Amino acid sequence: LAKTTQPISMDSYEGQEVNITCSHNNIATNDYITWYQQFPSQGPRFIIQGYKTKVTNEVASLFIPADRKSSTLSLPRVSLSDTAVYYCLVGDSQTGANNLFFGTGTRLTVIP
Amino acid sequence: EAGVAQSPRYKIIEKRQSVAFWCNPISGHATLYWYQQILGQGPKLLIQFQNNGVVDDSQLPKDRFSAERLKGVDSTLKIQPAKLEDSAVYLCASSFIGQYYGYTFGSGTRLTVV
Repeated sequence: LAKTTQPISMDSYEGQEVNITCSHNNIATNDYITWYQQFPSQGPRFIIQGYKTKVTNEVASLFIPADRKSSTLSLPRVSLSDTAVYYCLVGDSQTGANNLFFGTGTRLTVIP
Repeated sequence: EAGVAQSPRYKIIEKRQSVAFWCNPISGHATLYWYQQILGQGPKLLIQFQNNGVVDDSQLPKDRFSAERLKGVDSTLKIQPAKLEDSAVYLCASSFIGQYYGYTFGSGTRLTVV
């Protein structure tokens, strides 16, 4: 099981770009990296997934270096509504193995 | 598209009482998951169903927790008897068979055991 390590919390001002890094030193060849966002009193919501290099969607970008031992979730120009907990998961997207295990996440607080 | 429905939204019970939570997944989602989220922690998988069969229940405390999905659609999670440490949010999620990420979660049931 590839364990993930994230900062417990981060603060950012509105309008800034936020980068949250996740370490996963034991990532396996078939493992993908998935990020979820969770607002208070709601279930987690899928943000983005990637295998290597860079992935971008309408919400965020995911940067994965060549060794894949870490990944960085980038949120452009955050607003107050981006205040949430962000979880990094590493698991096998071909078999589903280990894709169901959440760590403690990073609590992002956006300050006006 | 309707989301994953859960009820009740909140529940307060005394220790040693029993409680049940209900989940209705997204239509067409054959895989259903129950998670327990203790305050300040990430969600912990309790049980995974595919249709009406159990795929993984290795982390379900079977001495007090039970879950069923009799017709492969709705599911019920029960705790009997409840302990103080069962206070948590119980989340239900669902996905298509073969979908290994991006599960859709419900808003959960917040259980307080006093």
